[in-house]
Amino acid sequence: NAGVTQTPKFRVLKTGQSMTLLCAQDMNHEYMYWYRQDPGMGLRLIHYSVGEGTTAKGEVPDGYNVSRLKKQNFLLGLESAAPSQTSVYFCASSQLAGVSYEQFFGPGTRLTVL
Amino acid sequence: GENVEQHPSTLSVQEGDSAVIKCTYSDSASNYFPWYKQELGKRPQLIIDIRSNVGEKKDQRIAVTLNKTAKHFSLHITETQPEDSAVYFCAASIVGRGSTLGRLYFGRGTQLTVWP
Repeated sequence: NAGVTQTPKFRVLKTGQSMTLLCAQDMNHEYMYWYRQDPGMGLRLIHYSVGEGTTAKGEVPDGYNVSRLKKQNFLLGLESAAPSQTSVYFCASSQLAGVSYEQFFGPGTRLTVL
Repeated sequence: GENVEQHPSTLSVQEGDSAVIKCTYSDSASNYFPWYKQELGKRPQLIIDIRSNVGEKKDQRIAVTLNKTAKHFSLHITETQPEDSAVYFCAASIVGRGSTLGRLYFGRGTQLTVWP
């Protein structure tokens, strides 16, 4: 099992450009999450999904959109990138059932907006 | 929403000493408290978690304690080793209830450095 994977690993954008980050999981998890990590700020939730076709806003959703068309994929979009969106983005998934509530994280995407 | 505070932000210890990281939470309904370890350049990984019906949980050199009344929980690492050096995050969540969706609210992290 690959677990949670993210593409791309690195990206540099110019202000105003758009891009999509892809997260994929092969654990058949219902729940998926997008976080951003900035120095000294911990992990902040951007958007999340509790199942295929559903999405919801997290703590810092402005400037981002998401889609969950397939259970195994969760896409994060930046329509018009801003320097404030320079960050490391982590995707995570969990099942939230049975004996484990663990969130499994992907390897991260380092995004720089110039 | 939930607010999780974590202290200290940095912690340096000598190899073999113990390390303690403390977190407080605001929502008395929170019932699940995981700890994640993140090595430099890597993804966060769960190292231990505790539910509100338990006061303490141990796994080899790490342990977590929970005080529901005071709304705080702590991570204890004994006999620290250089490979324990990492950023540690605490988190709080409400699980087992459909309306809360299992969101994790993270503390800001503690950079632990273990000197040989």
